[in-house]
Amino acid sequence: DQQVKQNSPSLSVQEGRISILNCDYTNSMFDYFLWYKKYPAEGPTFLISISSIKDKNEDGRFTVFLNKSAKHLSLHIVPSQPGDSAVYFCAANAGGTSYGKLTFGQGTILTVHP
Amino acid sequence: NAGVTQTPKFQVLKTGQSMTLQCAQDMNHNSMYWYRQDPGMGLRLIYYSASEGTTDKGEVPNGYNVSRLNKREFSLRLESAAPSQTSVYFCASLRPPESTSGYTFGSGTRLTVV
Repeated sequence: DQQVKQNSPSLSVQEGRISILNCDYTNSMFDYFLWYKKYPAEGPTFLISISSIKDKNEDGRFTVFLNKSAKHLSLHIVPSQPGDSAVYFCAANAGGTSYGKLTFGQGTILTVHP
Repeated sequence: NAGVTQTPKFQVLKTGQSMTLQCAQDMNHNSMYWYRQDPGMGLRLIYYSASEGTTDKGEVPNGYNVSRLNKREFSLRLESAAPSQTSVYFCASLRPPESTSGYTFGSGTRLTVV
């Protein structure tokens, strides 16, 4: 039972355009959501997060949107750069006594073409 | 450099052999985690340790054991390796507050069981 799903295995965009990565979840107990970026042969690195009390969080070129009623979040990258090419994972935390345990999606491979 | 160090980076085992994956962090974090990454599955939690002296099972603990040797070190042991354990293993640590922080991941151990 996949509680966090990224239904697009891959996404290809042109440099300078917007990249939109999507993520859906099913567990209503999730109250904190994170995005990680992963380059080949490296560990994932934390990118941006959002609490369930918010619907938007921005950090430079990266913005995460949360739609709780639809149990959907998205990551927008504007403008996209070739260095953004990586695998992006969304993850969710149920908070409370979960001790930081995260449930990850399957990942989306983003390719940004020059 | 401060961070999470995993050893070895690569390992090939024969079915039935045992090995221990080592992980150490120098950030004085309380919580540490072991995840495995498989194609199409994202990252799945194997075991975690909320604090020194405690360990708990995650989503996929079967076939593994862990030891939280001290605050810095959290090892993962495969007692009798199976081909299904072929995967990339990531160790991570988490600073407080655990419910809202992002992990710091190690660079991973790529394990092949033949």
